[in-house]
Amino acid sequence: EPEVTQTPSHQVTQMGQEVILRCVPISNHLYFYWYRQILGQKVEFLVSFYNNEISEKSEIFDDQFSVERPDGSNFTLKIRSTKLEDSAMYFCAIQTDTQYFGPGTRLTVL
Amino acid sequence: GQQLNQSPQSMFIQEGEDVSMNCTSSSIFNTWLWYKQDPGEGPVLLIALYKAGELTSNGRLTAQFGITRKDSFLNISASIPSDVGIYFCAGLRSGGTSYGKLTFGQGTILTVHP
Repeated sequence: EPEVTQTPSHQVTQMGQEVILRCVPISNHLYFYWYRQILGQKVEFLVSFYNNEISEKSEIFDDQFSVERPDGSNFTLKIRSTKLEDSAMYFCAIQTDTQYFGPGTRLTVL
Repeated sequence: GQQLNQSPQSMFIQEGEDVSMNCTSSSIFNTWLWYKQDPGEGPVLLIALYKAGELTSNGRLTAQFGITRKDSFLNISASIPSDVGIYFCAGLRSGGTSYGKLTFGQGTILTVHP
């Protein structure tokens, strides 16, 4: 099973601030995903990213969200202006024979 | 939108008992996956099912892909304390693959009493 790491493990931020969540290290993968899980709820798809382009996104993934692969290794999710309801676990997943999830970043918006 | 209904919501069992949980949908899914999530961690893949009617085992775990492609079940035999966690089904519209958006069920919380 491929190793997927995410940083930070926990991020606390003030409402309205920008946050960047990272999925590292990633190499030799073309297909990535971001999912989120609000506490006590199911995992929800946010966006898929293939060959440096968004291939699919959900209605949750509005203009406040963006994804990047800035240097060919990190895969990032940016939330431009966080809201209270953005508080959740955010999981990166990579695609090999199937989707493998990282350990997640717990985002807390105050 | 696509919805997966997973049941039961929670289970409390004694060590050694067998467990069964299932997912149903009003829509067809062409790939079914079962994941386990421990507290504070990401989902870990248990079993992947790619063909209708497929029955696949992974140790004490057995999962089946329903013939209608609208359901799947997961069985755990002879449960042990480390089986504790949340089990999620996930469906994919694309068939024979696991590429694409996963739709998750609500999860089954499993508690095993020694």
